[in-house]
Amino acid sequence: GENVEQHPSTLSVQEGDSAVIKCTYSDSASNYFPWYKQELGKGPQLIIDIRSNVGEKKDQRIAVTLNKTAKHFSLHITETQPEDSAVYFCAASPLGYKYIFGTGTRLKVLA
Amino acid sequence: DAGVTQSPTHLIKTRGQQVTLRCSPKSGHDTVSWYQQALGQGPQFIFQYYEEEERQRGNFPDRFSGHQFPNYSSELNVNALLLGDSALYLCASSLGDEQFFGPGTRLTVL
Repeated sequence: GENVEQHPSTLSVQEGDSAVIKCTYSDSASNYFPWYKQELGKGPQLIIDIRSNVGEKKDQRIAVTLNKTAKHFSLHITETQPEDSAVYFCAASPLGYKYIFGTGTRLKVLA
Repeated sequence: DAGVTQSPTHLIKTRGQQVTLRCSPKSGHDTVSWYQQALGQGPQFIFQYYEEEERQRGNFPDRFSGHQFPNYSSELNVNALLLGDSALYLCASSLGDEQFFGPGTRLTVL
């Protein structure tokens, strides 16, 4: 069935270091891959997304890569800051329809 | 421009009761999706409404139903509440493929 696996479940990094979160999806019809950041007591916030016709996208300290052949996509955060600490979710979707979310990665940036 | 709003913020019900949750989409958005997020888990898709019709549904029982109004706002109804229905219920609105989430309604079933 439809499934998105996300690793690692927890990640601790020193401030200034990079963080990488990886996801694998199963549904070949997926062509849109958003990433969300969720802080305690809040709803998920869209931070970056990528479509299947693009291999990489960057927005300041955040980048996402997609390997459609392998059905892998990854989130890269460089120069991490304490305010980056949160739970991050990847998702996969056919455009405009339901999202299948990963199980989340709790990122802790140590000052 | 207000984002997605949801009401109420918190709700406590007992088993067997019924509950209605409400969502107002972001201005200009015509599609509303509902998700259930259990503690420590990723959101699970319940259903999506577009043009006042349920367009897609996830693997949830018929106890979960919804409605979309002409102004694009939406309601989620859950009947015969079970303890396992305790979760954060998220509403997301969209115009295309990007979904923007509200803060959620925390439902506790005792």
